Amino acid sequence: AQSVAQPEDQVNVAEGNPLTVKCTYSVSGNPYLFWYVQYPNRGLQFLLKYITGDNLVKGSYGFEAEFNKSQTSFHLKKPSALVSDSALYFCAACSGAGSYQLTFGKGTKLSVIP
Amino acid sequence: DVKVTQSSRYLVKRTGEKVFLECVQDMDHENMFWYRQDPGLGLRLIYFSYDVKMKEKGDIPEGYSVSREKKERFSLILESASTNQTSMYLCASNPSYGLGSIYDSPLHFGNGTRLTVT
Repeated sequence: AQSVAQPEDQVNVAEGNPLTVKCTYSVSGNPYLFWYVQYPNRGLQFLLKYITGDNLVKGSYGFEAEFNKSQTSFHLKKPSALVSDSALYFCAACSGAGSYQLTFGKGTKLSVIP
Repeated sequence: DVKVTQSSRYLVKRTGEKVFLECVQDMDHENMFWYRQDPGLGLRLIYFSYDVKMKEKGDIPEGYSVSREKKERFSLILESASTNQTSMYLCASNPSYGLGSIYDSPLHFGNGTRLTVT
């Protein structure tokens, strides 16, 4: 069975500092990987995805993520955190072409402290 | 911008009631999905549909059914609501690019329906 792990329930970072939200995955084949963000009382919004190509993926709002096949990781990063980045972040993975199962992690709450 | 609209933001229902959750998307997307979101469990797929009148079970279909009579509308039905179905329900849609996965394109989510079953 495939799985996605977000090892930190909460990440706290000072405004202006770099942030990292961690994600590791276990899927068969070549994975499709996604990051979504959820603001309070809202649905999820797409941030970025990796399907193929360059291991460093750039997305919305200055976020990026690096696909590391050997470590089966897809950590979300941003060079300088904003208070408005405070939200719940979800990593998701599926096993690529033909897959009907997209597995989400449990979510990481990011708090950016002014 | 894609808009996915869920008809109710909050619902309170009694045990045993039949409950309908409605979702409409305005971008002619082929694929539509129903998830439930519970703290500490992330999102779990209940059902999805890749075409009108077509449906597939997700990870947790028990106690639920769905209906897709028109392309823009995907309904989730709780035949007999139970307290363990108290949750946040999220509808999503995406277009099909025909590249081999229904997840070739990102999901667009509605704002959710928080259902409480008492």
